[in-house]
Amino acid sequence: EEQLLESGGGLVQPGGSLRLSCAASGFLFGNNAMSWVRQAPGKGLEWVSTITGSADQKYYADSVEGRFTISRDNSRNTLYLQINSPRAEDTAVYYCAKDGYSSGWPVFDFWGQGTLVTVSS
Amino acid sequence: DIELTQSPSSLSASVGERVTITCRSSQTISTYLNWYQQKPGKAPKLLIYASRGLQSGVPRRFSGSGSGTDFTLTISGLQPEDFATYYCQQSYNPYRAFGQGTKVEIK
Repeated sequence: EEQLLESGGGLVQPGGSLRLSCAASGFLFGNNAMSWVRQAPGKGLEWVSTITGSADQKYYADSVEGRFTISRDNSRNTLYLQINSPRAEDTAVYYCAKDGYSSGWPVFDFWGQGTLVTVSS
Repeated sequence: DIELTQSPSSLSASVGERVTITCRSSQTISTYLNWYQQKPGKAPKLLIYASRGLQSGVPRRFSGSGSGTDFTLTISGLQPEDFATYYCQQSYNPYRAFGQGTKVEIK
């Protein structure tokens, strides 16, 4: 059974730093691209970042480019999101999602339950 | 960047009604358009892939259509468990933008 378990959320001060983790199990982690998606309180979904299975390509939303870094450790089946210089508008539930395929078409086919990041002094 | 605009932002409907949600892309994306359902406090769930493909396990009352820039999600015969927020997402390029969401509420 596929499982994604996020951790590392919490309260962080503006200008501080935080690292989120997503532990994966139940599928061949290194064969799949992985993504982070966030949702601010009462707002919609926002795609944040994607990393390929081999980590050779990384993609970021304009809103986080230069401040967030996505990475992965395929030996530990774990995805990471390093959040530097957070702002109040980064306050959100952060979901990790598995980039899969349905009949050959790219989808986010499995999601974790999310971890809340609150940016406040 | 590809931007997706959903309409309406919210709607009220009764059980048994037919509901239609639209998603418009700022660029042509062929049929690289997915739909997700999200209930409060839960992670999103994939409903439709490639504009019209029904994800395994999803009831047949959900259907999708469209190509290019204009897409539609239809729920034929709304059920109590369908009251949720629905999001479209493009998978045409790696920058996987979502629409702003459509909240379906009970009338």
